[in-house]
Amino acid sequence: QQPVQSPQAVILREGEDAVINCSSSKALYSVHWYRQKHGEAPVFLMILLKGGEQKGHDKISASFNEKKQQSSLYLTASQLSYSGTYFCGTERGNKLVFGAGTILRVKS
Amino acid sequence: DTEVTQTPKHLVMGMTNKKSLKCEQHMGHRAMYWYKQKAKKPPELMFVYSYEKLSINESVPSRFSPECPNSSLLNLHLHALQPEDSALYLCASSPRGAFTGELFFGEGSRLTVL
Repeated sequence: QQPVQSPQAVILREGEDAVINCSSSKALYSVHWYRQKHGEAPVFLMILLKGGEQKGHDKISASFNEKKQQSSLYLTASQLSYSGTYFCGTERGNKLVFGAGTILRVKS
Repeated sequence: DTEVTQTPKHLVMGMTNKKSLKCEQHMGHRAMYWYKQKAKKPPELMFVYSYEKLSINESVPSRFSPECPNSSLLNLHLHALQPEDSALYLCASSPRGAFTGELFFGEGSRLTVL
């Protein structure tokens, strides 16, 4: 069963912040985040393995709330290079299933 | 070398053709994957090889046939495809067993079936 991402799309101006959410109706054991730019391969951002874990890289960070069965990806002071489609992935029966994606567009 | 290399980048084939997609990695990764991605959709898992053995087949039609000749190579043999099989086919690898960490994706092979 596919995790649910929200919003489906978001448009930002450079410097603005965004939050992308990923939720599941089933228990979450880990959450993976990837970004795919148009015409390119998906690129790994981070994995969160424990409930309550938070990770960050540069101005992109994520949290994992095991009880609420959700994860959020935070993009701070967005840059043009952040544009792309963001996918969360959750483990289902030893497979990784991706959400439908959130399209992020950063405008100058 | 931190790349997953896929060839060809583009492929056009007729419904009666036989062709193959190739994927190569030299990072010593022990799991390799084939994904299919349609426009504006997430990657959809097709096959997983873990330690050179097929560990997951997501009920993919037999017109798609995977092969893992060695730990660095992964092929996808295509035969009698349908127009709806047109998509971006992504190969990925990961360091240890299936889905135990980061997936490294190749840039994909864009397939058009006429």
